[in-house]
Amino acid sequence: NAGVIQTPRHKVTGKGQEATLWCEPISGHSAVFWYRQTIVQGLEFLTYFRNQAPIDDSGMPKERFSAQMPNQSHSTLKIQSTQPQDSAVYLCASSSPGLEVFFGKGTRLTVV
Amino acid sequence: AQSVTQPDARVTVSEGASLQLRCKYSYSGTPYLFWYVQYPRQGLQLLLKYYSGDPVVQGVNGFEAEFSKSNSSFHLRKASVHWSDSAVYFCALRRTGGYKVVFGSGTRLLVSP
Repeated sequence: NAGVIQTPRHKVTGKGQEATLWCEPISGHSAVFWYRQTIVQGLEFLTYFRNQAPIDDSGMPKERFSAQMPNQSHSTLKIQSTQPQDSAVYLCASSSPGLEVFFGKGTRLTVV
Repeated sequence: AQSVTQPDARVTVSEGASLQLRCKYSYSGTPYLFWYVQYPRQGLQLLLKYYSGDPVVQGVNGFEAEFSKSNSSFHLRKASVHWSDSAVYFCALRRTGGYKVVFGSGTRLLVSP
């Protein structure tokens, strides 16, 4: 069990460019979560999927952010027209009913 | 709606001293409760969890936590801290039968030599 895998670990983008972050959940887990972590805001919930269906995206910024889960083995978080305030560590996690949430090591996004 | 409050943003203790990190939750039912630890440049790792039964649960590296329904609390304890325990600790809650996990704001622990 390799755990939750996030790629890349670090990403630097120029202001206005697009960034796509990848997550491979633990095999057999039915739920996938995305969180954003910054010094100022702490750990913020963004969105989650259950059985690949989007369930709750209440934490997603309304513009420029989107998440997908095209199959049970990966999810993506896409940020269009990145801005400096998007700089953060983006954490992906997965879980199944009755289990705790398992986290990946995160992707550190830096927008310059 | 459920919520988790960690009232102490930073805690400093001396190596070898005992530790308590506080966690209060708001939820009308009996929740699933967790403590996670985050070391620098790492994701969150599970320390321990409470689902039901004995209110005192044991975790890794000598950590334990006690669930109190009457106080809506789930405080984390350790009898003797080590410098390697310096990290950020998150308390979290998941409602029974639910998927979404709600996290507290975290407590940064610094263990001084």
